[in-house]
Amino acid sequence: DSGVTQTPKHLITATGQRVTLRCSPRSGDLSVYWYQQSLDQGLQFLIQYYNGEERAKGNILERFSAQQFPDLHSELNLSPLELGDSALYFCASSRTADSGNTIYFGEGSWLTVV
Amino acid sequence: DQQVKQNSPSLSVQEGRISILNCDYTNSMFDYFLWYKKYPAEGPTFLISISSIKDKNEDGRFTVFLNKSAKHLSLHIVPSQPGDSAVYFCAASAGSYQLTFGKGTKLSVIP
Repeated sequence: DSGVTQTPKHLITATGQRVTLRCSPRSGDLSVYWYQQSLDQGLQFLIQYYNGEERAKGNILERFSAQQFPDLHSELNLSPLELGDSALYFCASSRTADSGNTIYFGEGSWLTVV
Repeated sequence: DQQVKQNSPSLSVQEGRISILNCDYTNSMFDYFLWYKKYPAEGPTFLISISSIKDKNEDGRFTVFLNKSAKHLSLHIVPSQPGDSAVYFCAASAGSYQLTFGKGTKLSVIP
């Protein structure tokens, strides 16, 4: 158990809909990351937050948005959904935002768009 | 532009033998490297890391070697065990700590 909690674990929804994926980082971790893993793809970095502020942005689509709240949990919103959004979405956290820190991953949220 | 490459999608090794997983990178700014292990339907689990100021780091059966001039790192598992069967991801970061992952190598350890 990494200490990073993600909900929901599985989600099936229709195209055009909106979903919110939730993440609680490890106790004491200030930085939260979102990654996407599609079939045959490695882990693609989407976005990073540190202590409530956006720190780095990767391959996140404009249809997606995220935020980190004062209690440090984070949410990733996807809307409107497309078939190609079906993937495993991972949240991860680390103590700080600096290089040299280990990032710990949650178990992921499986999103299926039909 | 794939900055971290794991050129072997899969690897099979006999139990008790050495497993060597390889990773190449192109970004000379990378200063921290990590290996993660991933079982199906689970999140990646941190395995071992190495800073660019070192060329070797060891943790039990796992050793990571870094060759900066060749922009190459490798993970050695000795001896390999069936429970090591998983997908192994190589990852690297440069300063602002945005991990860049390779596509993974699926290791199968045969009893």
